[in-house]
Amino acid sequence: NAGVTQTPKFQVLKTGQSMTLQCAQDMNHEYMSWYRQDPGMGLRLIHYSVGAGITDQGEVPNGYNVSRSTTEDFPLRLLSAAPSQTSVYFCASSGNWNTEAFFGQGTRLTVV
Amino acid sequence: KNEVEQSPQNLTAQEGEFITINCSYSVGISALHWLQQHPGGGIVSLFMLSSGKKKHGRLIATINIQEKHSSLHITASHPRDSAVYICAVRFGGGSNYKLTFGKGTLLTVNP
Repeated sequence: NAGVTQTPKFQVLKTGQSMTLQCAQDMNHEYMSWYRQDPGMGLRLIHYSVGAGITDQGEVPNGYNVSRSTTEDFPLRLLSAAPSQTSVYFCASSGNWNTEAFFGQGTRLTVV
Repeated sequence: KNEVEQSPQNLTAQEGEFITINCSYSVGISALHWLQQHPGGGIVSLFMLSSGKKKHGRLIATINIQEKHSSLHITASHPRDSAVYICAVRFGGGSNYKLTFGKGTLLTVNP
């Protein structure tokens, strides 16, 4: 059972470039979310989805887009990368609001 | 504002010591999670609590709903326990899926 799979693990972008961080889960979970982790701060919610076709903004959504065309996949798109988006990104999923959360291994993104 | 506070921020212990990490939150919650993150690594769920106490091996998690407080205890600590421990809560009731995270406690266990 693979759980939550994130790709890539590391990425360096130039300012203005775009890219997509991939997230897939094989547990048939309804809820998926993207967080960013910055030094000295707790994880912050970027976007989330409560099911296929349903997405919503979290705490820090600016500069990011998401879509949820299938239950399994929840990609995060950076439209025009900025140095402020240098961070570690985590994808997570859970089956219900009162069940365990599963996290991916993280993507370390550097924007130069 | 819904907040999650952890203490201490940093903790250094000798192998074998009993460890306690604390988490307090501002308003009512439906669930509290304890997570572990090794340096440069992913995040692993240790416990999910809504009441009482849970135990897994040398780890024990407790929650006091009335006092809005949870503790994570590690008995007979070992250098491999060195990691960041993160408390996360789901505020409110019903179907609120969102997690609010504390800033984490960096635990270092020396041999």
